[in-house]
Amino acid sequence: RKEVEQDPGPFNVPEGATVAFNCTYSNSASQSFFWYRQDCRKEPKLLMSVYSSGNEDGRFTAQLNRASQYISLLIRDSKLSDSATYLCVALDSWGKLQFGAGTQVVVTP
Amino acid sequence: ETGVTQSPTHLIKTRGQQVTLRCSSQSGHNTVSWYQQALGQGPQFIFQYYREEENGRGNFPPRFSGLQFPNYSSELNVNALELDDSALYLCASFPRGLEGETQYFGPGTRLLVL
Repeated sequence: RKEVEQDPGPFNVPEGATVAFNCTYSNSASQSFFWYRQDCRKEPKLLMSVYSSGNEDGRFTAQLNRASQYISLLIRDSKLSDSATYLCVALDSWGKLQFGAGTQVVVTP
Repeated sequence: ETGVTQSPTHLIKTRGQQVTLRCSSQSGHNTVSWYQQALGQGPQFIFQYYREEENGRGNFPPRFSGLQFPNYSSELNVNALELDDSALYLCASFPRGLEGETQYFGPGTRLLVL
């Protein structure tokens, strides 16, 4: 079983719509969580950290549920430029990042 | 830009050869991690270097080795290359010991083994 699991998608989203997806993690000792965005053939770029209280950064909202061991990302008012692969990431106590395989989002005009 | 640089950007090797990839960490970052990303997969942790010592290793064979230098830059060496080593190799740096540390990735080295 993978330590971080994600729905690979693709999620096809009309421009302006809202899309949400989750990932689950198996290591309950994971300390921190992140969403990274990766464009085709590029490096992952930090999108946002994820906190239990929920956090928002513009059109993006992330949520952590430690009891159920899942993390969510919601994108409102989707833009064409939001098309990318979104990587769910758990950080362990000595700095090792565990990545999911990514969820592909395709925003269509 | 993150300030993490990697060289070379692309590399083609043949099976059995050896390769060295380089990473310069962001200023002030004392820790470098290396990841391998195969096509269609998420990055997989290879190892991490902190203060010039290996500080954690993923499920990779000993032919994957590394170094960290006093200026915190790092090298990844892969011996006896296999076809399955074809991947994007990413390094990430962060300031270990600080609360809320996040890791920033370099642009990667794309390795093709023929």
